[in-house]
Amino acid sequence: SQQGEEDPQALSIQEGENATMNCSYKTSINNLQWYRQNSGRGLVHLILIRSNEREKHSGRLRVTLDTSKKSSSLLITASRAADTASYFCATVRSGSARQLTFGSGTQLTVLP
Amino acid sequence: NAGVTQTPKFQVLKTGQSMTLQCAQDMNHEYMSWYRQDPGMGLRLIHYSVGAGITDQGEVPNGYNVSRSTTEDFPLRLLSAAPSQTSVYFCASSYRDTHTGELFFGEGSRLTVL
Repeated sequence: SQQGEEDPQALSIQEGENATMNCSYKTSINNLQWYRQNSGRGLVHLILIRSNEREKHSGRLRVTLDTSKKSSSLLITASRAADTASYFCATVRSGSARQLTFGSGTQLTVLP
Repeated sequence: NAGVTQTPKFQVLKTGQSMTLQCAQDMNHEYMSWYRQDPGMGLRLIHYSVGAGITDQGEVPNGYNVSRSTTEDFPLRLLSAAPSQTSVYFCASSYRDTHTGELFFGEGSRLTVL
């Protein structure tokens, strides 16, 4: 069964706007990761946040983690057309470090 | 470095046929895994390996076999293909397990079973 669920399923914004995607999960986790997938390609790792961290930045990406609400958000600032892709959250459950469980993804479209 | 290489990229099978999807990585990663991706389902883990000679089942292992005789290679075998196995298959590897690091993905193998 899927651990993470992204919201919204699809998001369309104008270039230059910020994009926020949310992820909720069900069980205690060790870490949470975000991946990007361009159409027809493999997934690319974006950022990892551990269960004892609340916020992490990488370039135009900002990830937050609220373990009390079992949720995470990915913010992409000043979006570009090249950010158009599907974004997935993935969790490593506590005590199960060998399995990464993915959500169903958010399809982001950035309009030029 | 080539990273994670999957072959073939596309394959069409008839029901009941068998085949092997190949996966190779040149990063000396201990951890390798196979996922399938279906529309609206995200990625689901089929099998994984934490080192040569060690494999284990993931969420959806039925109908698939794996082996890990070398660090570099992790083939996925479909024993008797069924239409339900029509999917895009991704191989991924990591330096150790997912506790510490990110997964590196191949470009995928698109399989159609008629």
